[in-house]
Amino acid sequence: KAGVTQTPRYLIKTRGQQVTLSCSPISGHRSVSWYQQTPGQGLQFLFEYFSETQRNKGNFPGRFSGRQFSNSRSEMNVSTLELGDSALYLCASNFGGGLNSPLHFGNGTRLTVT
Amino acid sequence: GQQVMQIPQYQHVQEGEDFTTYCNSSTTLSNIQWYKQRPGGHPVFLIQLVKSGEVKKQKRLTFQFGEAKKNSSLHITATQTTDVGTYFCAGRTNAGKSTFGDGTTLTVKP
Repeated sequence: KAGVTQTPRYLIKTRGQQVTLSCSPISGHRSVSWYQQTPGQGLQFLFEYFSETQRNKGNFPGRFSGRQFSNSRSEMNVSTLELGDSALYLCASNFGGGLNSPLHFGNGTRLTVT
Repeated sequence: GQQVMQIPQYQHVQEGEDFTTYCNSSTTLSNIQWYKQRPGGHPVFLIQLVKSGEVKKQKRLTFQFGEAKKNSSLHITATQTTDVGTYFCAGRTNAGKSTFGDGTTLTVKP
C-alpha cells in the first residue's frame, strides 16, 4: 500500500507570493490533516478535512486555507507569504479522522520564504 | 484552550542509560498516541493508549497512561543510538479536539 504522498518536497517562494501544497492520502483514508513544523515549535495543527468537509481548524490566520477533493486528496494554500511561514508542512491521513486511529504522515513539503 | 505539555524539551543521554518523556494535559483525554520522528524524517506512529492506568510495552519502550487520563509517559530502557529522534505525544479530548505536545528530542552519545 502506498504511503502518504506530499508534493512538492521543497519549495522556495518570495514574500507576498502564494503557494499550494498537495497531499495524497493512503488509499481508503478519508481524513487528511495538516501540520506546520518549525524548529522548537513542535507540530502545530492547521486543519483537518474529512470527506471534503473541514472538521477542525487550528489557530492560524485566514491566509492559510485548504480543501479536500472527492478522491480524498487535499491541498493547502497559503496566500501573501510571510518570512515566518518558512517551515516543514506535514500532512497526515487516517481512516476515521482525529486521533481515533493512527496518523500516517507524509514526508512533508519544506517551504522557504525569502 | 486544551494543551498538552511535554517535558523535557531535550534530553542527552549516554548509550545504555534510561530515558523518560512526560506528557501532561489540562483536560481529561479519551486517548493518547505516541510518535517518533527521526532526524530529517516524518513522525511515525508508535502506540495508542486508551484505558485509565494502561501500560503497554514494545521491547525496550514502556508507555503508560495515567489513572486520571491526564498524563502519559514513555520510558526507554538502556537507550541505543537508534533511539535518537524526537518523541511526540498527541492527545484527544472527549470533545474530539486533538493536540500534539512540543516533543522531546533525544540524543544518545555512544
